[in-house]
Amino acid sequence: GAGVSQSPSNKVTEKGKDVELRCDPISGHTALYWYRQSLGQGLEFLIYFQGNSAPDKSGLPSDRFSAERTGGSVSTLTIQRTQQEDSAVYLCASSLDGSNQPQHFGDGTRLSIL
Amino acid sequence: RKEVEQDPGPFNVPEGATVAFNCTYSNSASQSFFWYRQDCRKEPKLLMSVYSSGNEDGRFTAQLNRASQYISLLIRDSKLSDSATYLCAPDTGRRALTFGSGTRLQVQP
Repeated sequence: GAGVSQSPSNKVTEKGKDVELRCDPISGHTALYWYRQSLGQGLEFLIYFQGNSAPDKSGLPSDRFSAERTGGSVSTLTIQRTQQEDSAVYLCASSLDGSNQPQHFGDGTRLSIL
Repeated sequence: RKEVEQDPGPFNVPEGATVAFNCTYSNSASQSFFWYRQDCRKEPKLLMSVYSSGNEDGRFTAQLNRASQYISLLIRDSKLSDSATYLCAPDTGRRALTFGSGTRLQVQP
């Protein structure tokens, strides 16, 4: 079956612009996660959605970052007024129900801020 | 102490060798553990899930030591294709997993 799908694969934009990244989780997975990974670094947790519960936004680095998940499926991560330090690979993952279940990752979006 | 700690490596081993690396975790209540491999510039891929004392899948064995709070990954008969970064992710009781920074393995011909 289809895995986690992310778009775009690559995004290059100028500093100060807004960007929107999309994630389509595995069908039937109720839990969805966003991470980012800078070159040579580990995974940095950003935000977690589980069903209809309030999202866990504890990892968002600033108020320029926001995410939503509509209809319990597709999620978008929005970065406003991008800065050069936002350059990273943004990874989305989903799991069956979030409790002790393994996460499955999409290919990521490579974001470059000029 | 960090929630999850891994030796960054690199571990350089010849083909055919057996190699093991550990991941220590701070939350004694962790019940589930996951090993992922990540190739350069690729997404992490699930390698193994551990819900009890360990798990084995072919050349890969994960062993959990709850008393000392670490989980190990053993790779037997290393292949060139095993070269990757191995990420540990214990369930830390939060709703999302916390990933270690990874251990880099380089298998040499």
